[in-house]
Amino acid sequence: NAGVTQTPKFQVLKTGQSMTLQCAQDMNHNSMYWYRQDPGMGLRLIYYSASEGTTDKGEVPNGYNVSRLNKREFSLRLESAAPSQTSVYFCASMRTRGSYEQYFGPGTRLTVT
Amino acid sequence: SQQGEEDPQALSIQEGENATMNCSYKTSINNLQWYRQNSGRGLVHLILIRSNEREKHSGRLRVTLDTSKKSSSLLITASRAADTASYFCATVLSSGNTPLVFGKGTRLSVIA
Repeated sequence: NAGVTQTPKFQVLKTGQSMTLQCAQDMNHNSMYWYRQDPGMGLRLIYYSASEGTTDKGEVPNGYNVSRLNKREFSLRLESAAPSQTSVYFCASMRTRGSYEQYFGPGTRLTVT
Repeated sequence: SQQGEEDPQALSIQEGENATMNCSYKTSINNLQWYRQNSGRGLVHLILIRSNEREKHSGRLRVTLDTSKKSSSLLITASRAADTASYFCATVLSSGNTPLVFGKGTRLSVIA
């Protein structure tokens, strides 16, 4: 039981490049989330998926797209990376909305130059 | 915008002392949670307190909630060096149908 896994752990991109951050959970959770964490800003929600087949914008969705590929996997895509997207990205999952407790992956540290 | 705000931003104590962190929030909540983040790691859920609860305990953790003041506190008793981490409060709004909103965190340093 690996919990929530994220790939890659580290990534350096040049401005304008694209990439997809992968997230998978093996806990059969319905809801999945993508956050970014910047120094002094706490965690900010980018997108979330309350259940398979649905996605919704969070607080800071601009510049990102997501895909809930199946119940296990939720990917985050940067179509044209910008230096402002330099951050640490965390994926999380939750069993159901009623349970509220979230389980986090180890994070992806992304640098855009 | 951040719903919860932790106070203080940073806290340094000696091993064995108690650590208290506070969280204030702006709008009515369904529940409030506390998470810990060790350096370079993901967040780990510590404890959840519902809006109709006033106090909750889990091991060395004690959480209080005052909905009239829109505030919560996390007390870690008999702190250890391993408690060194950032601590975040997170709220679910009263509709219950919203994602967690995190505060900016308190950085706790426990000196051996």
